Amino acid sequence: DVKVTQSSRYLVKRTGEKVFLECVQDMDHENMFWYRQDPGLGLRLIYFSYDVKMKEKGDIPEGYSVSREKKERFSLILESASTNQTSMYLCASRTSGKNIQYFGAGTRLSVL
Amino acid sequence: QKEVEQDPGPLSVPEGAIVSLNCTYSNSAFQYFMWYRQYSRKGPELLMYTYSSGNKEDGRFTAQVDKSSKYISLFIRDSQPSDSATYLCAMSYNTDKLIFGTGTRLQVFP
Repeated sequence: DVKVTQSSRYLVKRTGEKVFLECVQDMDHENMFWYRQDPGLGLRLIYFSYDVKMKEKGDIPEGYSVSREKKERFSLILESASTNQTSMYLCASRTSGKNIQYFGAGTRLSVL
Repeated sequence: QKEVEQDPGPLSVPEGAIVSLNCTYSNSAFQYFMWYRQYSRKGPELLMYTYSSGNKEDGRFTAQVDKSSKYISLFIRDSQPSDSATYLCAMSYNTDKLIFGTGTRLQVFP
């Protein structure tokens, strides 16, 4: 069975903190994605990775960075968290060349 | 204009009703169409996947694509309270990025 695991379901951080969101998939997928989901705006792509050590900017990369040192793990980093980064963050993965993405349960981040 | 438009709802129906959820899109190059279901506080899960035009049926669910009208639909027959969720359409024109609708919240009451 397909499994994408996000390390935290809920996180509360202070403005200015460095925040790490971790995502692990056990399906040997090449491609991984980070989205944020906000009411009325839907899912917006932050960054994606085609393979280990590769990354591409999505539609809203400002204020975020990513790391993909191993195939199964894709990390999203907020260098200095701000209140406008309060959101639901979703990680997804897929086999290269396929459209279907498999999602994790999400991390609800609150920045105070 | 957004590439994909979806009515946010909420759509509230009685148990047993037929539900119709819809998305319109502007990019005629889209070829791959998906419907995801997202329960509250969970990640989206794939419900239906279709390529190009036509219908696809899976149990109580039917996905329909009308490329001439740039319109896709998801029909749910004999709706159940367990179908209460947000339904997201998604589409792409290649195997690159998916473009998502904003989601329609469905409530099925007993």
